[in-house]
Amino acid sequence: SQQGEEDPQALSIQEGENATMNCSYKTSINNLQWYRQNSGRGLVHLILIRSNEREKHSGRLRVTLDTSKKSSSLLITASRAADTASYFCATPRLWGYSTLTFGKGTMLLVSP
Amino acid sequence: SQTIHQWPATLVQPVGSPLSLECTVEGTSNPNLYWYRQAAGRGLQLLFYSVGIGQISSEVPQNLSASRPQDRQFILSSKKLLLSDSGFYLCAWSSLRLSTPEEKLFFGSGTQLSVL
Repeated sequence: SQQGEEDPQALSIQEGENATMNCSYKTSINNLQWYRQNSGRGLVHLILIRSNEREKHSGRLRVTLDTSKKSSSLLITASRAADTASYFCATPRLWGYSTLTFGKGTMLLVSP
Repeated sequence: SQTIHQWPATLVQPVGSPLSLECTVEGTSNPNLYWYRQAAGRGLQLLFYSVGIGQISSEVPQNLSASRPQDRQFILSSKKLLLSDSGFYLCAWSSLRLSTPEEKLFFGSGTQLSVL
């Protein structure tokens, strides 16, 4: 079953604009992670935020986490055409098999 | 540094044919290894998980099997492919269980499998 659900499913912006993607999850977490996937490629880890953190920055990325609302957002500032990709949030399963549960992703298109 | 290799990149196979996808990790010992499948426009579904040589856990019943003959080698197989086996297959590794704080997944480049 899907733990993380991203919103919107697709986002189209111009270069230089900011892109915001949201993620909701259902169960308890100890961290939430964001991954990027270029078309036809594997996923690449972008950033991890722990459950006791509210905000984290990495370069042009800003992630927020609201555990009371079970939601997270990923902000990419000053988007570039090279940011075009799908973005997934993922949460670790805290029991049973070791795995991350991924959402369906947000497809971001940044036009020059 | 650690690297993960997955091959082939693309594969077109007829229904009923066998399958073997291979994944190897370099630069680390005793990794946790994973096989995921990604259907078009969907999230990732865990297929198999391994904590060591010969130790395979299956998330869902299916037409596929996995083996780990060496510490850093993970193989996904099928004796007879079905149309429904089509998809994008991703191998990944982590150092520890993913419930460990700060643990994350490192993915291979994926195999696009089309069963016709």
